Amino acid sequence: DAGVTQSPTHLIKTRGQQVTLRCSPKSGHDTVSWYQQALGQGPQFIFQYYEEEERQRGNFPDRFSGHQFPNYSSELNVNALLLGDSALYLCASSYDRGTEAFFGQGTRLTVV
Amino acid sequence: AQTVTQSQPEMSVQEAETVTLSCTYDTSESNYYLFWYKQPPSRQMILVIRQEAYKQQNATENRFSVNFQKAAKSFSLKISDSQLGDTAMYFCALLNYGQNFVFGPGTRLSVLP
Repeated sequence: DAGVTQSPTHLIKTRGQQVTLRCSPKSGHDTVSWYQQALGQGPQFIFQYYEEEERQRGNFPDRFSGHQFPNYSSELNVNALLLGDSALYLCASSYDRGTEAFFGQGTRLTVV
Repeated sequence: AQTVTQSQPEMSVQEAETVTLSCTYDTSESNYYLFWYKQPPSRQMILVIRQEAYKQQNATENRFSVNFQKAAKSFSLKISDSQLGDTAMYFCALLNYGQNFVFGPGTRLSVLP
């Protein structure tokens, strides 16, 4: 079992550009959550996808959007990148509202 | 609103010694779970231990144990026989059933040889 996989591992973008991050959940999991972890801080919840719908959303602007595909994989899109979007983006998968979540290794996004 | 506080930004411990990391939380829910996650330089969050709020017995996983004080909303992690591989960021997290994780700011633990 490959666990939760995220791609790419590192990414550098210019302010104002758009970025797409990808996540494949652990086998058997149908729920994907995304978190933003700024340097030196704890992860902050962005949103959660279940059955291809956004089920919950944290306090993030509409520039942050997502998608879940029929195979349960997910994408996080960020438009009009700001310097403050530089962070580690973590994906976590679980089964429905289960309390056992597995995290990927994250995508390090740097906005210059 | 749910909050998690970790008052120790950094801690260090000698190899083979015992260290305790502190965490306090706040929630109005009755059905919730508490977790300690470890994040080494590889960045991946690794589950260390979890506690169901409805269970009075403190959780234990090998060298890791918790002191769960529900009335005080306190959830500390004790690491016994510390090993060099325990060096990492440690995050306390709260999960209300059916909702998302709320993480604390983390404690950076260094195990010294």
